[in-house]
Amino acid sequence: ETGVTQSPTHLIKTRGQQVTLRCSSQSGHNTVSWYQQALGQGPQFIFQYYREEENGRGNFPPRFSGLQFPNYSSELNVNALELDDSALYLCASSLLQGRDGYTFGSGTRLTVV
Amino acid sequence: AQSVTQLGSHVSVSEGALVLLRCNYSSSVPPYLFWYVQYPNQGLQLLLKYTTGATLVKGINGFEAEFKKSETSFHLTKPSAHMSDAAEYFCAVSDLGGGSQGNLIFGKGTKLSVKP
Repeated sequence: ETGVTQSPTHLIKTRGQQVTLRCSSQSGHNTVSWYQQALGQGPQFIFQYYREEENGRGNFPPRFSGLQFPNYSSELNVNALELDDSALYLCASSLLQGRDGYTFGSGTRLTVV
Repeated sequence: AQSVTQLGSHVSVSEGALVLLRCNYSSSVPPYLFWYVQYPNQGLQLLLKYTTGATLVKGINGFEAEFKKSETSFHLTKPSAHMSDAAEYFCAVSDLGGGSQGNLIFGKGTKLSVKP
C-alpha cells in the first residue's frame, strides 16, 4: 500500500503571495488532516476533511483554506502569506477519522521571505 | 479542552539504558492517546496508540506505553535504547472518545539523544 505523499517538498515564497500545497492520501483513507509545525514545536491542527467536507478546524485564519477531491487527495491553500507562515506543513490521512491513528506524509517545508 | 504536556524537551540516555519519555494529558472526554516519532526532515511515524481496553500498549521498535487514568499519564518506555532511537518524540491526544472529529493535539516534543 502506498503511504501519504506531499508535494512539493520545499518551497520559497514572498510575503503577500499565495501558495498551494498538495497531498495524496494513503490508499483507502477517506479522512485527511493538515497540520502546521513551526521550528521546535509540535504540529498544530489546521483543518480536517472527511468525504470532501470540512468537518473540523483549528485556530487558523480564513486565509488558510482547503479542498478534498473525490479520490480523497487534498490541497491546502494559504493566501496573503506572512513571515510567520514559514513552517513544515504536514498532511495526514486516516480511514476511521483517526481511530486507527493517522498516517503522515513527509511534509512540505515552506519558507516565506 | 484538551492538552498535552511532555516533561523534558531533551532527554539523553546511554545505549542499552532504559528510555522513559513522560507525557501527561488533560481531557474532558475519554482520551485516545498516541505516540509519534519524527526523524530529521521527515514526517511523523506512529509508534503506538491507546483507544480502549488494555492499558499497557505495545508498539513498534520495542516501545510500549501505559495509560494511567488516575495520573492522567501516558509515558513511553523502552527497556534498552539503541542508537537508531535518536529522534524527536511527540505525544498526542484526540477527542474521538467524546464523539468529535478526532483531530490530534500534540505536545511540544521530546528530543531523545542516545550516547554510545
